Amino acid sequence: DQQVKQNSPSLSVQEGRISILNCDYTNSMFDYFLWYKKYPAEGPTFLISISSIKDKNEDGRFTVFLNKSAKHLSLHIVPSQPGDSAVYFCAASDGSNYKLTFGKGTLLTVNP
Amino acid sequence: DTAVSQTPKYLVTQMGNDKSIKCEQNLGHDTMYWYKQDSKKFLKIMFSYNNKELIINETVPNRFSPKSPDKAHLNLHINSLELGDSAVYFCASSPGTGRNQPQHFGDGTRLSIL
Repeated sequence: DQQVKQNSPSLSVQEGRISILNCDYTNSMFDYFLWYKKYPAEGPTFLISISSIKDKNEDGRFTVFLNKSAKHLSLHIVPSQPGDSAVYFCAASDGSNYKLTFGKGTLLTVNP
Repeated sequence: DTAVSQTPKYLVTQMGNDKSIKCEQNLGHDTMYWYKQDSKKFLKIMFSYNNKELIINETVPNRFSPKSPDKAHLNLHINSLELGDSAVYFCASSPGTGRNQPQHFGDGTRLSIL
């Protein structure tokens, strides 16, 4: 049972354009969401997070939007850079514990 | 100066063998984790320790046994390895168990069972 779904296995964008990575979740108890970025042969690194009391969180070129009614979140990267090329994982946790449930990831390729 | 380091990076072994993966973090964190990333690419939590005490134990075969000799180390021992154990195993740590304390991951150990 995939409680966190990233339905696009891959995404390709041009340098300088916006990258939008999407994530859907099914567990209505999830109230904290994170995005991790992963380069090949390395572990995931934390990128940005959002609590369910907010609908937007911004950090430099990265913005996460949360739509609780749709159980959907998205990560926007503007402008995209070739160094952003990586796999992006969406993760979620509920209020009862800090266990993270991850999606399968989306491979982002930013073309120069 | 690696923050979360795992050894070995690659492990190739025969079915039925027993093997261990070691993890050390130099971040001074209290909480450590083991994740498994299988062929379908899902990262799933297996265990978590906080101050050397087991706090998360997911539905994992009891052939897998974590051991935390101190807060900076969390090792994973696997008995009687099976083909389905082939995966990438990631160790992670966080300052504590609060949800606003992101987890820092090691680079993974790729385990291949022949």
